[in-house]
Amino acid sequence: EPEVTQTPSHQVTQMGQEVILRCVPISNHLYFYWYRQILGQKVEFLVSFYNNEISEKSEIFDDQFSVERPDGSNFTLKIRSTKLEDSAMYFCASLSGRNSPLHFGNGTRLTVT
Amino acid sequence: GNSVTQMEGPVTLSEEAFLTINCTYTATGYPSLFWYVQYPGEGLQLLLKATKADDKGSNKGFEATYRKETTSFHLEKGSVQVSDSAVYFCAREITNTGNQFYFGTGTSLTVIP
Repeated sequence: EPEVTQTPSHQVTQMGQEVILRCVPISNHLYFYWYRQILGQKVEFLVSFYNNEISEKSEIFDDQFSVERPDGSNFTLKIRSTKLEDSAMYFCASLSGRNSPLHFGNGTRLTVT
Repeated sequence: GNSVTQMEGPVTLSEEAFLTINCTYTATGYPSLFWYVQYPGEGLQLLLKATKADDKGSNKGFEATYRKETTSFHLEKGSVQVSDSAVYFCAREITNTGNQFYFGTGTSLTVIP
């Protein structure tokens, strides 16, 4: 069964550094998402992406965050200047269409020191 | 507004006990409803779904019925196993502004032998 893949599985970075989290969604899916989960807490929506543009974003997704689909297969989340509170699991997800379930990757654990 | 309210955990049960995890939603319209499961160290996986009122989703012995009159989608299993230990998330899909998913806070289940 096709899967959403995320790399790296764990990223450690220093405060103020830029990080790029990578995702390869399922190939025939049209909608792409980033969520994050701070340890032991709820799954929070960051951003959704459709037709090569952001369709919706949450208040968490401020100017420090950006997303890109550079080559038709990858879907990246960039954090320009990381803060300690950005430490979390970041999940990529993709969707084929309405009333379909989200398919999640296994996540990237980001640790900001 | 659009939200999902989930029973707080953690829940600890003995093997073969009956499980109920409550989930209610607020909505305009008729959202699709989902239960996702997150095993330790992994991403979220779809457990079951229901797309309209009175639908029953089922998988791996788990069931949930979409009840419009009580705006609920409670998860049940008649006899839990140790391998069911995980965090369970209720979710709903909003389709009026793209495809947006809202998750509950998650309920941690531990099943002891």
